[in-house]
Amino acid sequence: SQTIHQWPATLVQPVGSPLSLECTVEGTSNPNLYWYRQAAGRGLQLLFYSVGIGQISSEVPQNLSASRPQDRQFILSSKKLLLSDSGFYLCAWGRGVGGDNIQYFGAGTRLSVL
Amino acid sequence: DQQVKQNSPSLSVQEGRISILNCDYTNSMFDYFLWYKKYPAEGPTFLISISSIKDKNEDGRFTVFLNKSAKHLSLHIVPSQPGDSAVYFCAVQRGDSSYKLIFGSGTRLLVRP
Repeated sequence: SQTIHQWPATLVQPVGSPLSLECTVEGTSNPNLYWYRQAAGRGLQLLFYSVGIGQISSEVPQNLSASRPQDRQFILSSKKLLLSDSGFYLCAWGRGVGGDNIQYFGAGTRLSVL
Repeated sequence: DQQVKQNSPSLSVQEGRISILNCDYTNSMFDYFLWYKKYPAEGPTFLISISSIKDKNEDGRFTVFLNKSAKHLSLHIVPSQPGDSAVYFCAVQRGDSSYKLIFGSGTRLLVRP
């Protein structure tokens, strides 16, 4: 069966520090990978998605970047964190193109930038 | 501009009764619809989905209804249980090779014992 791992679960970082969140998927190959952010009391905002190694699509301009160095690894990074980067970050994987694009989420990382 | 709206931020229901969660969308090109359930400090889990060729899909206590003319989606939970207390997100997708889901802002359901 497929599993998705995301770490760390919580992170407290000072403003201006770098960020690296990692997500890995097991039990499948060539998945579509996604990074979302949920701000307090808000819905899920898609930040990046990837349909293959080295292929990254950005949904919103921001202080973050994403990379996919391996088929089942997706990394979210920042060189200098801002206060507004605080939130709950979720990684997800999906199989489909078009119909039936069910996405499966990791447990999330709570990031607090102070 | 929000393409997917869940206008009720919260809903409280007595155990054993029906919970109805609603979702409205704006784009008639959306053709696949999903519901996710999320507990605090956890990732959302897939609950049930429906394609635009259907108007109803049922899975145990959960039924999703789609009204394409009204661009309206609803999730019925019968009977509601305290363990159903969570935030529910609807999500929509375009079938034309889109990899993306667009999520609503969520409805917090509280099922009272």
